Amino acid sequence: GAVVSQHPSRVICKSGTSVKIECRSLDFQATTMFWYRQFPKQSLMLMATSNEGSKATYEQGVEKDKFLINHASLTLSTLTVTSAHPEDSSFYICSARDSRQLYGYTFGSGTRLTVV
Amino acid sequence: QKEVEQDPGPLSVPEGAIVSLNCTYSNSAFQYFMWYRQYSRKGPELLMYTYSSGNKEDGRFTAQVDKSSKYISLFIRDSQPSDSATYLCAMSVSLAAGNKLTFGGGTRVLVKP
Repeated sequence: GAVVSQHPSRVICKSGTSVKIECRSLDFQATTMFWYRQFPKQSLMLMATSNEGSKATYEQGVEKDKFLINHASLTLSTLTVTSAHPEDSSFYICSARDSRQLYGYTFGSGTRLTVV
Repeated sequence: QKEVEQDPGPLSVPEGAIVSLNCTYSNSAFQYFMWYRQYSRKGPELLMYTYSSGNKEDGRFTAQVDKSSKYISLFIRDSQPSDSATYLCAMSVSLAAGNKLTFGGGTRVLVKP
């Protein structure tokens, strides 16, 4: 089946620094990837839809300049949390759309970000 | 009001019992329905999917959709401790490439040995 690799799985950074999270589709090409944020015991909140070769579409209330998304190839999308603050600490999950499968939304294993 | 409502639980059942999960939704345009399982600190994995109304069975899992009531269900028979996880319903109007999924809040399930 389709596999999505997400790295790092866990990262701790200092307040004010930037952190980059990678999401790779390993055995398929993904023209569309999705980035979610999940707080403890809560559901996934869609942050943005990443489209290969074009600008990401952000959900209402998500700061574009703080959460930079780049989808430069058909197998890689990155999320950069800029000038991170403790309130950005969360679980970030990506999902890639495998167009070969009708219900092909495959998720990465998530990244636990802690800003200290 | 959220587009998709799901009881957060936790739902605690003894091993071997039937687990019954459900979601209600408000958008009548939803046509594609999915159930995901998420273990702690992991990404969700697809369990079941159905289109429009009806039932679908796969092993110990049965998914039901009642579009007239805007209500979907997931049943897990002969539950095992390894079924302990959070179960998320998700739905979509379309499965076109860029179309997003709308998730319920998730139900935590604990199957006790």
